[in-house]
Amino acid sequence: AQSVTQLGSHVSVSEGALVLLRCNYSSSVPPYLFWYVQYPNQGLQLLLKYTTGATLVKGINGFEAEFKKSETSFHLTKPSAHMSDAAEYFCAVSASSNTGKLIFGQGTTLQVKP
Amino acid sequence: SQTIHQWPATLVQPVGSPLSLECTVEGTSNPNLYWYRQAAGRGLQLLFYSVGIGQISSEVPQNLSASRPQDRQFILSSKKLLLSDSGFYLCAWSWETGNTIYFGEGSWLTVV
Repeated sequence: AQSVTQLGSHVSVSEGALVLLRCNYSSSVPPYLFWYVQYPNQGLQLLLKYTTGATLVKGINGFEAEFKKSETSFHLTKPSAHMSDAAEYFCAVSASSNTGKLIFGQGTTLQVKP
Repeated sequence: SQTIHQWPATLVQPVGSPLSLECTVEGTSNPNLYWYRQAAGRGLQLLFYSVGIGQISSEVPQNLSASRPQDRQFILSSKKLLLSDSGFYLCAWSWETGNTIYFGEGSWLTVV
């Protein structure tokens, strides 16, 4: 079975500071990992995903994440936060390559202070 | 390009009333379709998924049901709503053999 743990339900950073959102997963098979962003009252938008290959994955809006098998982690980072990054972020894992049955973490709300 | 639409965006319904949320996908054929629910502070939970017309799998026992009358149409229903059915409902789709899901804009349901 798969599971996802996002460490920290709320993260606050200053504009221009590093953003680090933590995600750890549990999977009995090689995982497929995703980060989604949700702006208020909207659906979820895919930021980036890891399936196979390069462990450092670049996504939209300057975000990237690194798959670390030894640490079972897939942390999301951005070098410099922008006010528009304020949103809720979800990490998710899928056990299979051909299904969209994702297991989501509880989400992390990112606050960006001016 | 592919688009997904769901409606209504907001719904306030009394306890015991029926529910129908609709979702359609454009620009693709034979998509996999999903209904997720997002309750406050509880992340997203997969409710139903469908790999084809009339093929529905339920992930959790509940007061809701789903139907897929056409290839690109997915409907979430209830005969009698409960207070606990309140939440944000998200329709999503993926390619037939894909693992990335793409979400609609969501529907807020408040049961009063």
